Amino acid sequence: DGGITQSPKYLFRKEGQNVTLSCEQNLNHDAMYWYRQDPGQGLRLIYYSQIVNDFQKGDIAEGYSVSREKKESFPLTVTSAQKNPTAFYLCASSIWGDSNDYGYTFGSGTRLTVV
Amino acid sequence: AQRVTQPEKLLSVFKGAPVELKCNYSYSGSPELFWYVQYSRQRLQLLLRHISRESIKGFTADLNKGETSFHLKKPFAQEEDSAMYYCALSGSARQLTFGSGTQLTVLP
Repeated sequence: DGGITQSPKYLFRKEGQNVTLSCEQNLNHDAMYWYRQDPGQGLRLIYYSQIVNDFQKGDIAEGYSVSREKKESFPLTVTSAQKNPTAFYLCASSIWGDSNDYGYTFGSGTRLTVV
Repeated sequence: AQRVTQPEKLLSVFKGAPVELKCNYSYSGSPELFWYVQYSRQRLQLLLRHISRESIKGFTADLNKGETSFHLKKPFAQEEDSAMYYCALSGSARQLTFGSGTQLTVLP
């Protein structure tokens, strides 16, 4: 059953700690994305990657880092530099460049809380 | 820069009534527009895309380039339509920009 898996579902972080959110897909999608979802603000793009070993900053990349060592995996690290990390994080993937099927498949999300 | 505006955070209608969720966009080129939906306790999922000119679950959306709008419409709302709806735009950079969302509640 193809899909995109995010883990963990809930994550608690102490101030000053880095944490890494996992995102894995078996859809053979080229592109992967990380969004942050806050109430009343919709989804804001953090980072995206079109191909392995390449990624681009989105609108709110400060305080975050990513890697794309494998096509299937796109982990997001929330660093201590992120001033307001408490949020719901969504990972997505898509076929790159095919406008006839250009929809995103989303994971179920990770809720990060700073304690 | 590309921008998507959904002016209504909350929208309530009665079952059987028509519903329209508004979406306006700002983009200098030729955009691709989408509606995504998130039902309670479910993942965000694609509802429809303008290039397909399709009707999904009774919903339609027409791209109006003159008014830069992509409003989502359904003639007769059902209780199962209650969800959060996001309008999204894909520009030349090929990543999606989302609006802030509209929470639709269909009352019995």
